[in-house]
Amino acid sequence: EPEVTQTPSHQVTQMGQEVILRCVPISNHLYFYWYRQILGQKVEFLVSFYNNEISEKSEIFDDQFSVERPDGSNFTLKIRSTKLEDSAMYFCASSVGGSVYEQYFGPGTRLTVT
Amino acid sequence: GESVGLHLPTLSVQEGDNSIINCAYSNSASDYFIWYKQESGKGPQFIIDIRSNMDKRQGQRVTVLLNKTVKHLSLQIAATQPGDSAVYFCAENRGDYKLSFGAGTTVTVRA
Repeated sequence: EPEVTQTPSHQVTQMGQEVILRCVPISNHLYFYWYRQILGQKVEFLVSFYNNEISEKSEIFDDQFSVERPDGSNFTLKIRSTKLEDSAMYFCASSVGGSVYEQYFGPGTRLTVT
Repeated sequence: GESVGLHLPTLSVQEGDNSIINCAYSNSASDYFIWYKQESGKGPQFIIDIRSNMDKRQGQRVTVLLNKTVKHLSLQIAATQPGDSAVYFCAENRGDYKLSFGAGTTVTVRA
């Protein structure tokens, strides 16, 4: 069964450093998403991406965040200058269509900012 | 603001019994709802979904009920098994490109 994959599984970085989280969505999916989950809290939407542009973003997704689909398979989330409060699990998801289609989630990357 | 929420943060159930997990939503414009299961250290896993033009949908051992009058969503798990122990989230889509998640219910299955 096809699945969303993410690398690395755990990333430790120092405050102020840049990180890039990588995702490989399911191959025939057209919509891509990033969510985050701070420990013990609910999953929060960050950004959606379709046709090589951002469809929607949340208040969390400020100028420090960016997304890119550098080739036909990868989807990345970059945080330019990490803060302590960026520590969380980051989940990538993808779906065939937009609003009323199931989003498939990857296993997540645990980001720890020290 | 409007949000999706769950009635109870925890649920303890005896193995073999049925589980009912509840969720209240406040946005009447939401037209798609999903239940996800999240095991420790893993991403949310799709369980079942329902569109707003339906009030019930059944899967394998799971049933989702939607009551639009009171804006209530529930997940019923039949014959709960130890492998059902996880955090369960309801999520809604309001016709846009994102899912809004509730706070989660931790289900613990007692042997």
